[in-house]
Amino acid sequence: QKEVEQNSGPLSVPEGAIASLNCTYSDRGSQSFFWYRQYSGKSPELIMSIYSNGDKEDGRFTAQLNKASQYVSLLIRDSQPSDSATYLCAVNIERAHNAGNMLTFGGGTRLMVKP
Amino acid sequence: EAGVTQFPSHSVIEKGQTVTLRCDPISGHDNLYWYRRVMGKEIKFLLHFVKESKQDESGMPNNRFLAERTGGTYSTLKVQPAELEDSGVYFCASSQVPWGLPYEQYFGPGTRLTVT
Repeated sequence: QKEVEQNSGPLSVPEGAIASLNCTYSDRGSQSFFWYRQYSGKSPELIMSIYSNGDKEDGRFTAQLNKASQYVSLLIRDSQPSDSATYLCAVNIERAHNAGNMLTFGGGTRLMVKP
Repeated sequence: EAGVTQFPSHSVIEKGQTVTLRCDPISGHDNLYWYRRVMGKEIKFLLHFVKESKQDESGMPNNRFLAERTGGTYSTLKVQPAELEDSGVYFCASSQVPWGLPYEQYFGPGTRLTVT
């Protein structure tokens, strides 16, 4: 079982719809959760971080975290063609006290927003 | 504010040669990370610097890889000698919040390494 799992997609939604991206993780010690957006050939761009159970909203983006069920999701409202990219879920798993803050990534979900 | 920069953007070398990648973190960021994405795989952690010290190098694949961060500013990642399986995109990231607290890592554009 992978530590962080995402459906590779592609997820296709029409312009203006809500895109829902999901991510599950295996380690209950996970502390911090991040969503990155990556356009082809570009660097991962941080778009959301979430640390507590519940929802966190930022503009058209909402991150949802459920630690009991070990999943984190990203909702994109009013999807635009410019949102078409690969969305990466990343998790920080707290390890030994003197360990660093490495991120463990899922494989990413490719989102396609069609005009 | 300038973001994380990496050099070169692309490198093509032959098996057995040496390559050195460079990363300049966001100014003032003490934490610097190296990650790698091999074709078709997830982005994988390589190592983490706090200033000039290696905090965690558990992801380094073998002793052909050497990372340094002299002076706690920019970092280099040397691969010597390069093997075919080293091909991939090498990302650098930096973060500001001290270790132990929730933090956010900002990524550079990556260096695409091709070993032929």
